[in-house]
Amino acid sequence: GENVEQHPSTLSVQEGDSAVIKCTYSDSASNYFPWYKQELGKRPQLIIDIRSNVGEKKDQRIAVTLNKTAKHFSPHITETQPEDSAVYFCAATPNSGGSNYKLTFGKGTLLTVNP
Amino acid sequence: GAVVSQHPSRVICKSGTSVKIECRSLDFQATTMFWYRQFPKQSLMLMATSNEGSKATYEQGVEKDKFLINHASLTLSTLTVTSAHPEDSSFYICSARESHLNTEAFFGQGTRLTVV
Repeated sequence: GENVEQHPSTLSVQEGDSAVIKCTYSDSASNYFPWYKQELGKRPQLIIDIRSNVGEKKDQRIAVTLNKTAKHFSPHITETQPEDSAVYFCAATPNSGGSNYKLTFGKGTLLTVNP
Repeated sequence: GAVVSQHPSRVICKSGTSVKIECRSLDFQATTMFWYRQFPKQSLMLMATSNEGSKATYEQGVEKDKFLINHASLTLSTLTVTSAHPEDSSFYICSARESHLNTEAFFGQGTRLTVV
């Protein structure tokens, strides 16, 4: 099955700096890669997602690049703000209807943005 | 985006009792729903995939007789934790997709289960 590795596990940045997370996946059949923000006790919130036919996607301060050959993607936040502090999860889904497109999550990155 | 509602948000039960958690898709039909468990400071771990009208598919290591899943309609899936023990205390979250396409998954609010 799919395995998603995510680094770093904790990340502390100063307000205004960028936060970059690196995610790798194992299943070359995966073609959908969402990135979630989760605040304590809350549901995961989709921040950005990318498909394997696209190399980069950007939405205001959030962007993600995908290297399908190397099987890794890198979401990042620019101009970070204290309210960006949360746990962020990378995820991957194989392009197989037989798998019901189930999501496999990385172990998460605790991001702290210091004012 | 689509809305998935999960109930209850918090529940405390005694050891040995059963607890039912409901997951509803409010404005779309969800052929497939997923149930996750999340322990403190850990990631979401998939427990099972629930398909409307058929038996759930459980992940390795998840006891199907302990975690009963029913997906009787296209808008409702339930997870029943039977004979709960303190080690079952966790955050349980469901998610659903709108179609058979590989698209965004929508999550319920989660249920904080505490077994005393």
